[in-house]
Amino acid sequence: VLTQSPATLSLSPGERATLSCRASQSVSSDYLVWYQQRPGLAPRLLIYDASTRATGIPDRFSGSGSGTEFTLTITRLEPEDAALYHCQQYGSALPFTFGPGTKVEIK
Amino acid sequence: EVQLVQSGAEVKKPGESLRISCQGFGYDYTNYWISWVRQMPGKGLEWMGRIDPSDSYTNYGPSFRGHVSISVDKSINTAYLQWSSLKASDTAIYYCTRHRTYMDVWGNGTTVTVS
Repeated sequence: VLTQSPATLSLSPGERATLSCRASQSVSSDYLVWYQQRPGLAPRLLIYDASTRATGIPDRFSGSGSGTEFTLTITRLEPEDAALYHCQQYGSALPFTFGPGTKVEIK
Repeated sequence: EVQLVQSGAEVKKPGESLRISCQGFGYDYTNYWISWVRQMPGKGLEWMGRIDPSDSYTNYGPSFRGHVSISVDKSINTAYLQWSSLKASDTAIYYCTRHRTYMDVWGNGTTVTVS
């Protein structure tokens, strides 16, 4: 089971966002991924293997953590970062599980 | 360009059957799993199941096993998600996504309304 906190984050442009994803069991090989889902759109891959940015993702986005505790950090928030952020584990054991999501609002 | 193109929105009545599709372009369709992911209104993502297009091997999430069926026609690079008897609780957006491990390409989503 994946738990994300906070449920909602409301910040101003230029601020830093810190999103947490906690697993009830250790995530094998740090197979933890973050997706961004802007309103009305499909999810988009942001970070895989806990800390590797996907192609085309700006370096304002960074992932860290291992075991059961993972963090997505967004520095210098921009209006386009308003979205729902999901974490997911993709180790060998099925089913794949997603966290409930963190909504980032830009004031 | 690598993309997954899904079929259009559907409005159905309870008890009706439905099949939605997901066609891949720009890559070798048999080299990646295709998973289906449900997003109910205002909620998060739920993994429903996956299929290996090379041999049609499937796995289902426990909440979805027996209620949906996943299939593929690799000759036209298309995967399908099918219901034999829809319920109002099936109202959601359904996404297909390709993966080996992480899900790197997502379809545009198919909205299914059962009412």
